[in-house]
Amino acid sequence: GQNIDQPTEMTATEGAIVQINCTYQTSGFNGLFWYQQHAGEAPTFLSYNVLDGLEEKGRFSSFLSRSKGYSYLLLKELQMKDSASYLCAVRDRQAGNMLTFGGGTRLMVKP
Amino acid sequence: NAGVTQTPKFRVLKTGQSMTLLCAQDMNHEYMYWYRQDPGMGLRLIHYSVGEGTTAKGEVPDGYNVSRLKKQNFLLGLESAAPSQTSVYFCASKPGQGGRQETQYFGPGTRLLVL
Repeated sequence: GQNIDQPTEMTATEGAIVQINCTYQTSGFNGLFWYQQHAGEAPTFLSYNVLDGLEEKGRFSSFLSRSKGYSYLLLKELQMKDSASYLCAVRDRQAGNMLTFGGGTRLMVKP
Repeated sequence: NAGVTQTPKFRVLKTGQSMTLLCAQDMNHEYMYWYRQDPGMGLRLIHYSVGEGTTAKGEVPDGYNVSRLKKQNFLLGLESAAPSQTSVYFCASKPGQGGRQETQYFGPGTRLLVL
């Protein structure tokens, strides 16, 4: 099976930088996704990592270390609208390439 | 494009009643998924389909059935609803396999309350 861990809640200040960590254990790693989900809405795609390193997309960046089973999502210049849940999901060859989601990290951005 | 749509948005059922949730996508995606989302547990896969006329079980399939008679539609059925099926149900689709095609696009969700 798979085990995906991420913090339940985080709080940060508008304009600051926040890093949301995700650790996973999987036998056939085949990619990691980050999704953003505002309360009462659908998850929306943020980033995809399959190789080690940093992927940057505007204010958001995602990092992956396959040897450590570790990823993080970095949000810069935080805005109030960034208050949402952030979901880490891992694709596993041993699980038919299905996505397994972590419980999500609820981020609250304060003025 | 409307993307992925779901009907209904909200439903209240009594224990033992049946219902069907409809998911439709207009992106010509091959793969479609049904997830449920419960507080603190993340999204869990119920059933999925890799193409028209095919379905397969996910992580939590018991109590649900699905059908994919048309490529654009994926139906989720509850034959005899139970309070444990109170949840938010999300449908998702993706174009294909490999690289960016693995990105799943989600519908707005259906909130189901079983009394």
